[in-house]
Amino acid sequence: QVQLVESGGGLVEPGGSLRLSCAASGFTFNDYYMTWLRQAPGEGLEWLSYITPEGSATDYADSVKGRFTISRDNDKNFLYLEMNNLRVEDTALYYCAGGSGDFWSGMTWFDPWGQGTLVTVSS
Amino acid sequence: QSVLTQPPSVSGAPGQRVTISCTGSNSNIGPRYDAHWYRHVPGTAPKLLIFASTNRPSGVPDRFSGSKSGTSASLTITGLQAGDEAVYYCQSYDSSLRAWVFGGGTKLTVL
Repeated sequence: QVQLVESGGGLVEPGGSLRLSCAASGFTFNDYYMTWLRQAPGEGLEWLSYITPEGSATDYADSVKGRFTISRDNDKNFLYLEMNNLRVEDTALYYCAGGSGDFWSGMTWFDPWGQGTLVTVSS
Repeated sequence: QSVLTQPPSVSGAPGQRVTISCTGSNSNIGPRYDAHWYRHVPGTAPKLLIFASTNRPSGVPDRFSGSKSGTSASLTITGLQAGDEAVYYCQSYDSSLRAWVFGGGTKLTVL
């Protein structure tokens, strides 16, 4: 069945780095835009980044621009998020999700989703 | 503070109908952008319920329906069941922020 499984979360000190992975199965991964989103404790969902199906274009939310890098390996059906210079406010449950619709116009929804991986930034 | 505004909670008895509102602005929900709805049980993967304001993905029961009027959208659930208890989120795109945005979530309790 369609499945996304995130991994790589954990405890990291402020200023540290972490790499999240997302394993995709059950659908044609290289047909999909892919995204990362997060939910901080007690907060709502926040979109972070997307990458085009072939990996040639990316975009980021202002909150992570310059610190996070999204990438993908279509041969292995994996999505990644490299997170550098982590801050306490980056503490959250991080989700990967597929994107459908038209990313260029913004008419986009997210499906499927993974269950998330927890990142805690604390000294 | 979420860009889209949802009530924190709604409730209803089994079999009843509930509606969850999602209020935006001219830079998000409106003539150019639709709303999309998700169901989330904490600890599990969020699930798409409604896309493009009114469309149900295959497999979503027709008890779930969506609508849009002006800069607001609504999710209606009829024939409430205990299994509908979850947090429901609306989502759209904001042209001023140039980002996809969400509501703060509405916790549905089935009495």
